[in-house]
Amino acid sequence: QQQVKQSPQSLIVQKGGIPIINCAYENTAFDYFPWYQQFPGKGPALLIAIRPDVSEKKEGRFTISFNKSAKQFSLHIMDSQPGDSATYFCAASGGSNYQLIWGAGTKLIIKP
Amino acid sequence: ETGVTQTPRHLVMGMTNKKSLKCEQHLGHNAMYWYKQSAKKPLELMFVYNFKEQTENNSVPSRFSPECPNSSHLFLHLHTLQPEDSALYLCASSQERNLEAFFGQGTRLTVV
Repeated sequence: QQQVKQSPQSLIVQKGGIPIINCAYENTAFDYFPWYQQFPGKGPALLIAIRPDVSEKKEGRFTISFNKSAKQFSLHIMDSQPGDSATYFCAASGGSNYQLIWGAGTKLIIKP
Repeated sequence: ETGVTQTPRHLVMGMTNKKSLKCEQHLGHNAMYWYKQSAKKPLELMFVYNFKEQTENNSVPSRFSPECPNSSHLFLHLHTLQPEDSALYLCASSQERNLEAFFGQGTRLTVV
């Protein structure tokens, strides 16, 4: 119940394409769903986050879609660029468990 | 100056050595964390300090010993480690628990 399952493990997309990374959770008490971006040699950095009172949130080229009934959320990157190549992590927290529960990460490569 | 600074960036140690990892945050945050990051695995939360008090110890072996002398500094003392402890160790801080976490660049630890 505490797991967050992330897929795919790796993803290669041509420049301009729309990579989609999916996460699923079980704990219905989760109420905070962030996405982090990590470049090689750096720590993860918060990219965008959503709470379950909305079904979608956009920040620039990054969009989170949230499906509360399915207990799934996903990250979409519009007009992807080679500079978006990084590892992306989803996470969730909430209820009595304030700790962030992390997905295993998706290594994204955007080909020029 | 980055918000969360970790030293050293790289560390190679033998199984009988004793070493310490240092983390310093310049963000005025109240919570600090140690994470272990291994390839293709979710980030593993090791320890949480909130207002200098340890609030979480996620079943971490006693060969890892944290210390938080003040709200800006966090140490991870290492002794008699095993090769499977080789990983990237990340420090993070947040204003409160369950809010955006800011990560340092990590210490790449290799146990030989």
